[in-house]
Amino acid sequence: EAGVAQSPRYKIIEKRQSVAFWCNPISGHATLYWYQQILGQGPKLLIQFQNNGVVDDSQLPKDRFSAERLKGVDSTLKIQPAKLEDSAVYLCASSLDLSAVYGYTFGSGTRLTVV
Amino acid sequence: DAKTTQPNSMESNEEEPVHLPCNHSTISGTDYIHWYRQLPSQGPEYVIHGLTSNVNNRMASLAIAEDRKSSTLILHRATLRDAAVYYCILRNAGNNRKLIWGLGTSLAVNP
Repeated sequence: EAGVAQSPRYKIIEKRQSVAFWCNPISGHATLYWYQQILGQGPKLLIQFQNNGVVDDSQLPKDRFSAERLKGVDSTLKIQPAKLEDSAVYLCASSLDLSAVYGYTFGSGTRLTVV
Repeated sequence: DAKTTQPNSMESNEEEPVHLPCNHSTISGTDYIHWYRQLPSQGPEYVIHGLTSNVNNRMASLAIAEDRKSSTLILHRATLRDAAVYYCILRNAGNNRKLIWGLGTSLAVNP
C-alpha cells in the first residue's frame, strides 16, 4: 500500500512570500489532516477534512493560511504571506474515516524555512 | 482537553525491554489512549491504542492501569531503529476525535 505522499520535501522562502504544499493521501481514505510541527514540539492540527468538506479548522490562522480538498482526494495547503514563525514541518495525514480505528498514516512532511 | 505527562527522555540498551510511562490523571471515560512514534526526519507513525484492556500488536504492548490514569508502552526488545520520540495521546470521541499532542518522550537506544 502506497503511503501518504507530500511535496515538496523542503522549501525555503523569504518572509511575505507565498508557498503551497501538496498532499496525496492513501487511496480510499476519506479523512485528511494538515498538521504544523514546530521544532521540539508535538504536531498541532491545522485543518481536518472529511472527503471535500472541512470538519475542523479552528486552529488554522485564516488570515494567511488556506487549504482545500476539492475532489475529496488530494489537498493543498497555502500560506500567503509567510511569516518567520511559520518555519516548521507541515505534516499531512489520512485515516479511513473519522473514527480512525486503525490510526492515522502520516506523510514525511514538508520542512518550511522562512528567512 | 485531557492532558498527558511523559518523561522528556529515556535511555535503553539494545535487545532489552523498554517501558515508556504516561500519566493521564484527567482522562475521561470516552478517551482512548493512543501511542505514536516519530523517527528522525519522518512523520509520526501509529503504534498502538486502547481503551481499558491491555493491547498487543506486532510493534508493542500497551498496559493500561485499572483506574486508567496511567499507561505504559512496552517495547519487548529494543532495537536501534526504535530510537524515536514516543507520544502518548488521548483521543476523545466527543471532541471531533482530535489527537492532542504533547512533547513526547525521546528514547535513545544504546548498542
